[in-house]
Amino acid sequence: EDQVTQSPEALRLQEGESSSLNCSYTVSGLRGLFWYRQDPGKGPEFLFTLYSAGEEKEKERLKATLTKKESFLHITAPKPEDSATYLCAVHSGAGSYQLTFGKGTKLSVIP
Amino acid sequence: GAVVSQHPSRVICKSGTSVKIECRSLDFQATTMFWYRQFPKQSLMLMATSNEGSKATYEQGVEKDKFLINHASLTLSTLTVTSAHPEDSSFYICSARVPRVGLAVNYEQYFGPGTRLTVT
Repeated sequence: EDQVTQSPEALRLQEGESSSLNCSYTVSGLRGLFWYRQDPGKGPEFLFTLYSAGEEKEKERLKATLTKKESFLHITAPKPEDSATYLCAVHSGAGSYQLTFGKGTKLSVIP
Repeated sequence: GAVVSQHPSRVICKSGTSVKIECRSLDFQATTMFWYRQFPKQSLMLMATSNEGSKATYEQGVEKDKFLINHASLTLSTLTVTSAHPEDSSFYICSARVPRVGLAVNYEQYFGPGTRLTVT
């Protein structure tokens, strides 16, 4: 059974204070790891897809990296508008298109 | 690209009535759509997978007769909550899978904005 664990559950940062969110996963054969951002009362917004270990993707202040066991979402010099819950999900290709989601990391960036 | 809409965004209904929620892919054809439920401060709970032209696949514990799913076209899936009760109050979110990126099968899901259902 695919498992995704995100840490920490919550993270408070001062504006400009860089940090990383962790997503550890256990799958039988990774077909894709996905990062989403969710604001309160809204649906998740797609950020990145990573397919293989060593792959990196960037978007503005966010950078996602992938190893064989975990993924990191690095946030450089965050701003208050980066405050949101960040969700990680995996797909193992085990006969369906379902994603397995972690519980998320709630990020708060304080001005 | 890959925009998904949901309607309505909020709905309040009386106990015992039925409510229909629409999910549309606006700029792509989605052979597979998904319906999730999210409780406050919790992650997404997959309810069912909706496949165009065939019956939906429900997750264990989800009542098929209560949560009716129809995926009649490549751009529209609907979720009908029948005989709604206060415990059905929740945030319902749909997503759609973009079938392919070039020649490769794609597993990315794009989410709608969600529907807040309140049953009184």
